[in-house]
Amino acid sequence: EVQLVESGGGLVQPGGSLRLSCAASGFTVSSNYMSWVRQAPGKGLEWVSVIYSGGSTYYADSVKGRFTISRDNSKNTLYLQMNSLRAEDTAVYYCASRTVAGKAFDIWGQGTMVTVSS
Amino acid sequence: DIQMTQSPSTLSASVGDRVTITCRASQSISSWLAWYQQKPGKAPKLLIYKASSLESGVPSRFSGSGSGTEFTLTISSLQPDDFATYYCQQYNVLTFGGGTKVEIK
Repeated sequence: EVQLVESGGGLVQPGGSLRLSCAASGFTVSSNYMSWVRQAPGKGLEWVSVIYSGGSTYYADSVKGRFTISRDNSKNTLYLQMNSLRAEDTAVYYCASRTVAGKAFDIWGQGTMVTVSS
Repeated sequence: DIQMTQSPSTLSASVGDRVTITCRASQSISSWLAWYQQKPGKAPKLLIYKASSLESGVPSRFSGSGSGTEFTLTISSLQPDDFATYYCQQYNVLTFGGGTKVEIK
């Protein structure tokens, strides 16, 4: 079965760090473009970061310099390292993948909640 | 940066209604436009990609059209399962629109 399963969310203080994981099954992370998308409570979807099959990475301006996307091909897992967290980073974080060329994000995880609060 | 603007932000409709949602890009994005459906507490679900291609398993009452800067998502006959929030996304630079909530009238 093709699926993505996120983990690593939780409560963290402002200025703290957290690493999210997204384990893929049924397809290969390194062969597809993988992304993180977040959704603040009661708000819309916000694209956060992407890593392409070739390894290029891009970030939304709101997280540039604080978040790092990476992947571990041996574990078929995507990561998001989040540093210098702010209250406005509070959101459900989804990982998503494009598994077919020309499509958009056709596979999504269930999401993991990150709360930044003192 | 390319901005995506959806309208309306909220739409009240009845079962059986024809519903149209519009998404405008601040500059041409060719046909690199996707539509997603999201229900409360759930991940988004891909409905339409490349502006008008129907994702596998999505009912044929959903259709997409447009190119360049103006796009539409149409639900030909609204069903109870369709009450949800819909997002467009231009997937060259990955920006989402603000969303359209389809409510029961």
